[in-house]
Amino acid sequence: ETGVTQSPTHLIKTRGQQVTLRCSSQSGHNTVSWYQQALGQGPQFIFQYYREEENGRGNFPPRFSGLQFPNYSSELNVNALELDDSALYLCASSLALDASGELFFGEGSRLTVL
Amino acid sequence: TQLLEQSPQFLSIQEGENLTVYCNSSSVFSSLQWYRQEPGEGPVLLVTVVTGGEVKKLKRLTFQFGDARKDSSLHITAAQPGDTGLYLCAGPNSGGSNYKLTFGKGTLLTVNP
Repeated sequence: ETGVTQSPTHLIKTRGQQVTLRCSSQSGHNTVSWYQQALGQGPQFIFQYYREEENGRGNFPPRFSGLQFPNYSSELNVNALELDDSALYLCASSLALDASGELFFGEGSRLTVL
Repeated sequence: TQLLEQSPQFLSIQEGENLTVYCNSSSVFSSLQWYRQEPGEGPVLLVTVVTGGEVKKLKRLTFQFGDARKDSSLHITAAQPGDTGLYLCAGPNSGGSNYKLTFGKGTLLTVNP
């Protein structure tokens, strides 16, 4: 158990809808990163937040946005859902900004877009 | 763009057999991490290798980092059904984007009793 929890674990949406996924990081971890893992693929970096500010972003469109709160919780929001957004969304908390340090992943939220 | 290629993509073996999976890149990585991901779970870090030529052992698992820091391997001795899972290698991007990990697609290992 990594101490990182995500909700919901599974959800189904239709194309065009909006979704909010939630993550609770380990206490004391000021850095949270979000990854998208499509079926049969490795995780792909979406963005990272540090002390409530976006610190870096991967190759994802602006309809993917995030928030981080002072209580070690965070959100991933996706607007105008597309079929290709169907994936497992993972959040990972860490002490360091540098990804060479250990990331603690949650169990993920599996999103299906119909 | 730094890419990591893992092979084989799928591996199904019998309990007690030995196996090796590979992680290769044309780019140099400052370090490489190996994760195991079980169905319905997030990846869990197994080991980080940092120095070229480094070998690390974790019970029956042996991890090696290539001398040029472009490749890594994971060797499992006497595999057990509990070793079943997706094995992912990952490395931090270089330069100003070292906040993100690049992952390979993984090797899906099934160990049959």
